[in-house]
Amino acid sequence: AQSVSQHNHHVILSEAASLELGCNYSYGGTVNLFWYVQYPGQHLQLLLKYFSGDPLVKGIKGFEAEFIKSKFSFNLRKPSVQWSDTAEYFCAVNALNDMRFGAGTRLTVKP
Amino acid sequence: SQTIHQWPATLVQPVGSPLSLECTVEGTSNPNLYWYRQAAGRGLQLLFYSVGIGQISSEVPQNLSASRPQDRQFILSSKKLLLSDSGFYLCAWSVGGRGGTDTQYFGPGTRLTVL
Repeated sequence: AQSVSQHNHHVILSEAASLELGCNYSYGGTVNLFWYVQYPGQHLQLLLKYFSGDPLVKGIKGFEAEFIKSKFSFNLRKPSVQWSDTAEYFCAVNALNDMRFGAGTRLTVKP
Repeated sequence: SQTIHQWPATLVQPVGSPLSLECTVEGTSNPNLYWYRQAAGRGLQLLFYSVGIGQISSEVPQNLSASRPQDRQFILSSKKLLLSDSGFYLCAWSVGGRGGTDTQYFGPGTRLTVL
C-alpha cells in the first residue's frame, strides 16, 4: 500500500512569515493530490487539489501547492501567513482509487 | 447544496458498552461513504467505505462494524467497546469512483471517549 509522509508535525510561525509544509508519497504511478485543512472546532475541508495540468495549484485563502513528480512531493505554500491560518493541515494522495492521508501538520501562527 | 451530518458530537461510554454513530448526507444521491478515525499525530485511518446500500468494505480488522441501511445513511457500530476505540470519528462522502478524482467531503466528527 502506498504511504503519505508529512515530516513536520508542528510548525510555529509569526504572522507574515512564509510557510511551506512538506508532503511526500510513495506511489510511482498516476496520483491525485489533495490538501485538507481543519480549523479549530471546524470540519475538515478541502484547501486545494491536483488532478492534472499545471503542477502549480492555487487554492483558497492564498494557499498554493506544487506537484513535483520527480520528487514525489506536493508541498503546500503560503507567502505570508495570518493568525487565522492556525489549523491542522493534512495531505492526501489517491492512487488506484485508494485514498491515503498523512499524519497532519499542526500550524500555530503567533500574532 | 450537499451537507453531511454526524451525531452525536461527543460521546463518553464505558468499556464493554455498545456503540452506534450515525452519519447522514443530504443533497446527493448514491454517494460513496466513508468512516475514518483520526488519532493525534497519526492522520486519518480509513475504517470502512461503502459504494451503495448494504455494500461495506472494511480496511482494517477491528472491534467495529459498519452498515448502510439507506442510500444516504452510514452507521458505525460496536457490540462491546474497548479502551482503544477512543478517538475522533469522521464520516465523509464523495461521488464517482472510490476516492478517485472526486473530493471527499467530511462531517463534523464524533469525539468518542471510552472509560
